[in-house]
Amino acid sequence: GAVVSQHPSRVICKSGTSVKIECRSLDFQATTMFWYRQFPKQSLMLMATSNEGSKATYEQGVEKDKFLINHASLTLSTLTVTSAHPEDSSFYICSTSPHNEQFFGPGTRLTVL
Amino acid sequence: GENVEQHPSTLSVQEGDSAVIKCTYSDSASNYFPWYKQELGKRPQLIIDIRSNVGEKKDQRIAVTLNKTAKHFSLHITETQPEDSAVYFCAASTPGNTPLVFGKGTRLSVIA
Repeated sequence: GAVVSQHPSRVICKSGTSVKIECRSLDFQATTMFWYRQFPKQSLMLMATSNEGSKATYEQGVEKDKFLINHASLTLSTLTVTSAHPEDSSFYICSTSPHNEQFFGPGTRLTVL
Repeated sequence: GENVEQHPSTLSVQEGDSAVIKCTYSDSASNYFPWYKQELGKRPQLIIDIRSNVGEKKDQRIAVTLNKTAKHFSLHITETQPEDSAVYFCAASTPGNTPLVFGKGTRLSVIA
């Protein structure tokens, strides 16, 4: 299966700062990557679909100007949480989906103080 | 769009007993149904999956059944062990490079 890495694994930041999360597909050229968010004791919810070379597609209720997605190459997608607030504290996970099966990155735990 | 419902939200069983978790989905075009086990602070781990051309699949103590007509699928864990304790998620997706829609999860506790 595909190997997906994510960096950083954990980040703590002050309110109002921006945080960039990287998702890399190590052995598969991913034209599409998915970004999910998981709040404590809740399920994974799709935030956006990242498309290489074009604009990301955002789910309803997810602010595209707050969660900036860049998918400039077939192996890298980045999610930038701009002007982070405590309510953005969550577990962010990316995935890629060769052949329907999804492969998840290890996730990034974001804590906004 | 797809909606996946999962029940129960919590489940406690005695060690050695069986556990069953059920999910329903709404989109008849969905054709891929994975089950994930998630431990605290970690990514979901795929434990078994089934595609719509199959009605049942088994892997040692774990089995999944799919009823396409009724649009529901179930996870069966037999001879449960304390290390089976975790949160389990069902999910569904349609053909192609599409995202998963997850159920709300079931917290399974296996009591020794």
